[in-house]
Amino acid sequence: GQNIDQPTEMTATEGAIVQINCTYQTSGFNGLFWYQQHAGEAPTFLSYNVLDGLEEKGRFSSFLSRSKGYSYLLLKELQMKDSASYLCAVRTNDYKLSFGAGTTVTVRA
Amino acid sequence: EAGVAQSPRYKIIEKRQSVAFWCNPISGHATLYWYQQILGQGPKLLIQFQNNGVVDDSQLPKDRFSAERLKGVDSTLKIQPAKLEDSAVYLCASSFSRGVAGAGETQYFGPGTRLLVL
Repeated sequence: GQNIDQPTEMTATEGAIVQINCTYQTSGFNGLFWYQQHAGEAPTFLSYNVLDGLEEKGRFSSFLSRSKGYSYLLLKELQMKDSASYLCAVRTNDYKLSFGAGTTVTVRA
Repeated sequence: EAGVAQSPRYKIIEKRQSVAFWCNPISGHATLYWYQQILGQGPKLLIQFQNNGVVDDSQLPKDRFSAERLKGVDSTLKIQPAKLEDSAVYLCASSFSRGVAGAGETQYFGPGTRLLVL
């Protein structure tokens, strides 16, 4: 199985920046995904990294270092609607996704 | 484009009863997944279909769980009999096709069915 670690909770102020780290141990790495999940709703796709480096998409950016088994999701200019759980998921060569437990981000005014 | 549809959205049953969930994937998506998400945890894959064939059911508790995708489109997941520990959200996801590299394999999730077993 895969070992995926991410912090349980993070709190930040509206307008600030938050960085959610994810570390993983896996064989047959084939990509890393970040999903956002609001309470009581389905996970929605945010970003995908398969090569090292930074992928930027509006206020959200995701970084990957395959040699370190490390990724982060950066949320900029935080808004109240960004309060949600953020799931790190690793895909292996058999195209299976393994999810971390999720990081609950609370944005305060 | 319509997303992944699931029903029912909520279900409350007593232990030892049976329950079934339905999923309709995004049109044209060949691969369908059922996940179980227990409160406070990430989704855990139960079963994966490619068209109407099972690709992976290694984490499906086959003594009580079953799933089918007879025509390669809709799918049903059944629990019989249910146990207290089956209380969870059951998520269905679909992706375009297995074997296509890159973000084309992104999985898109339905709203889920919240199951409470009393």
